[in-house]
Amino acid sequence: DTEVTQTPKHLVMGMTNKKSLKCEQHMGHRAMYWYKQKAKKPPELMFVYSYEKLSINESVPSRFSPECPNSSLLNLHLHALQPEDSALYLCASSQTLLQGTAEQYFGPGTRLTVT
Amino acid sequence: SQQGEEDPQALSIQEGENATMNCSYKTSINNLQWYRQNSGRGLVHLILIRSNEREKHSGRLRVTLDTSKKSSSLLITASRAADTASYFCATFYSKLTFGKGITLSVRP
Repeated sequence: DTEVTQTPKHLVMGMTNKKSLKCEQHMGHRAMYWYKQKAKKPPELMFVYSYEKLSINESVPSRFSPECPNSSLLNLHLHALQPEDSALYLCASSQTLLQGTAEQYFGPGTRLTVT
Repeated sequence: SQQGEEDPQALSIQEGENATMNCSYKTSINNLQWYRQNSGRGLVHLILIRSNEREKHSGRLRVTLDTSKKSSSLLITASRAADTASYFCATFYSKLTFGKGITLSVRP
C-alpha cells in the first residue's frame, strides 16, 4: 500500500469554527508533513513530524495546530481561521528525514475554503 | 524563500514530441527531486537525483544535475496527452523546497 489518504476532500468553514484535517499512511513511514498550497503556487512546508515528534514548524500561526497521535496518523486542527487561509492542504510522508531518502508521498489534499 | 526556479513557466507541445524543463537553484543541496501535479491535486514523485549524481533515467524520464551551475533539467520523451500537468523541481537540504512550477500541455 503506497497511498496517503486525506479526509475530508473538501471543507468549508466559518472563521469561528473548529475543524480538523486528517491524514493516514500505512507504509511504515516515520516522517510526516503538512503543506499549504495556494492556487498556481508551489506547496509551502508548514510542519514536519519525525517519529511522532514535531521536528519543524515553519513559523505557522497558532490557529493551525498539528498533532501526530501515532506513526500512521497526522491531524491538523484548525481554529479561528482567516479567509486568506483558504488553500489546498497537502499531507505527505517519507521513510525518514534522512537526507538521502527524502522521497515524499503525497495525499490528494483537502481543499479548504474559509468564509 | 523558494529554492528552485523552473524554466519555462509554461510549455505546450504536440503528442509524441519531447519536453524539456529546466530548474535552477541557489544554495547547496543534498538531492533534487521532480514532482508532477495534476489539476491541483496531490503531487506524485517522479525522480530523485543525488548531489553526487549527474544523470538519471526512469522510463521516459531523464534528469540531469549540474551542481557547478546549480541547475537541473527534466526531459520527457515521446510525450503523451496524459503528461499534461504541472511539474515542480524541489531541492532538499534539511527540508524540501519547491520551485514555482512549469505547466506542461501536451496536445493530442
